[in-house]
Amino acid sequence: AAGVIQSPRHLIKEKRETATLKCYPIPRHDTVYWYQQGPGQDPQFLISFYEKMQSDKGSIPDRFSAQQFSDYHSELNMSSLELGDSALYFCASIPTDTQYFGPGTRLTVL
Amino acid sequence: AQTVTQSQPEMSVQEAETVTLSCTYDTSESDYYLFWYKQPPSRQMILVIRQEAYKQQNATENRFSVNFQKAAKSFSLKISDSQLGDAAMYFCAYRSAWRTQGGSEKLVFGKGTKLTVNP
Repeated sequence: AAGVIQSPRHLIKEKRETATLKCYPIPRHDTVYWYQQGPGQDPQFLISFYEKMQSDKGSIPDRFSAQQFSDYHSELNMSSLELGDSALYFCASIPTDTQYFGPGTRLTVL
Repeated sequence: AQTVTQSQPEMSVQEAETVTLSCTYDTSESDYYLFWYKQPPSRQMILVIRQEAYKQQNATENRFSVNFQKAAKSFSLKISDSQLGDAAMYFCAYRSAWRTQGGSEKLVFGKGTKLTVNP
């Protein structure tokens, strides 16, 4: 079965640069969740979308923004990157009541 | 707000033996879901098992089973016949039943338990 796709898988940026992470949910499913997992930490919810509308928001910095497009893929835009933004960023899709995670994008800020 | 607590930062088990990972949670909601996710060194988040709060029967998936005690707000994971491939970080997670309670479908995770399997 098709799974959640994230790109890129790895990203290296300098401080103050901008990054864009992409998520392609399970086909024909309209809900996307973004999580951030710092080193040695549990995943923290950032933001979610349902039918292209923001459905919930967690502790997402103002420097971050996200949207969901007509084909249901989602993009997380991160500006003015800081060292503390280095983390694994997951996208999850919900075909039933269960969230299935993509492989994650590992962002390193130097 | 809901919280999830995993009191065992690390656990170890001998191959072929059984191990139980603990999880407790706090919520005022009556309808929700609980999950165990496995995160191996690849850091992929893999669903192990899920439990609906309204079901009294404990969920089972092959060698994995849960002991769900709703009144005690406890949700432990038992791994039987442990295998080397079971070595990973295990996260317990909570999710509201959004449609019935107007909450959020986001997952709230515990801090995780690192499981080591010794040959």
